[in-house]
Amino acid sequence: EVQLVDSGGGLVKPGGSLRLSCAASGFPFINAWMSWVRQAPGRGLEWVGRIQSKTDGGTIDYAAPVKGRFTVSRDDSKNMLFLQMNSLRTEDTAVYYCTVDSGGGPAWWGQGTLVSVSS
Amino acid sequence: DVVLTQSPVSLPVTLGQPASISCRSSESLLYSDGNTYLTWFQQRPGQSPRRLIYKISTRDSGVPDRFSGSGSGTDFTLKISRVEAEDVGVYYCMQGTHWPPYTFGQGTKLEIK
Repeated sequence: EVQLVDSGGGLVKPGGSLRLSCAASGFPFINAWMSWVRQAPGRGLEWVGRIQSKTDGGTIDYAAPVKGRFTVSRDDSKNMLFLQMNSLRTEDTAVYYCTVDSGGGPAWWGQGTLVSVSS
Repeated sequence: DVVLTQSPVSLPVTLGQPASISCRSSESLLYSDGNTYLTWFQQRPGQSPRRLIYKISTRDSGVPDRFSGSGSGTDFTLKISRVEAEDVGVYYCMQGTHWPPYTFGQGTKLEIK
C-alpha cells in the first residue's frame, strides 16, 4: 500500500524559510516522479513543483509563483522527498501535499502539512 | 498555461439521483503519445484529494462504478449515476498533457439537497 507522510509545516514570518519532508513507502520510490501540490485555506489545488526519477533524468520543474524561492529534492536512499521554501510570503500559506505521479499527474497523496506565513 | 473551467461551481443533488460535472480546457489535451491526460479528483471534507479517474475514463482501483468519465479534446465530463451521501465534497479536474505546470479546474462542490 502506498503511504506518504508529510511533515515540517508550521508558523513562519514573511521572508523566513521552512523545509517540508515526505516519507514514502509501499512502492519503488527510486523510480517515482514526485510532486508537491498546495491548497490555500478555502481555495482550490495548485501544483508547486515536480522531480523526475534519476533514471528518467531527474529534471525538476516549478510553478511560476515559487520558481527561484522553492527547491524540490529527493533522497532515494531514504525514500524521502523534500521541499525547501525560502523567502516565504503570506500568499504561500497553504496545506502542502506530497504526491506520487502516475498516469499523467498526481495519483497518491499524503495527508498534507500546514504552512502558515504571518507576522 | 492551460486553463480548465469547471461547471457548475455548486451542485446540489438529491440522494439516488445522477450528477454531472463539466470540465472545459483552453487547449486540446490530446498528447503526442495518443493519450489524453485528463484526471478527476474527489476531496471529501477535511481529507486529502483522492484520484478517481485518469486518462479521461480509467477508474482507479476501489472507485465505485457509479463514477464514470468521458470526453475528448477540450470537453470532458464526470458523471455519478446515483449520488450517495459519501460523495459529498469538491471535485477537481486536472490536466497533465501540457506540463509544466499541471493545472486544475477551480472545483465543483457537490452537496446533498
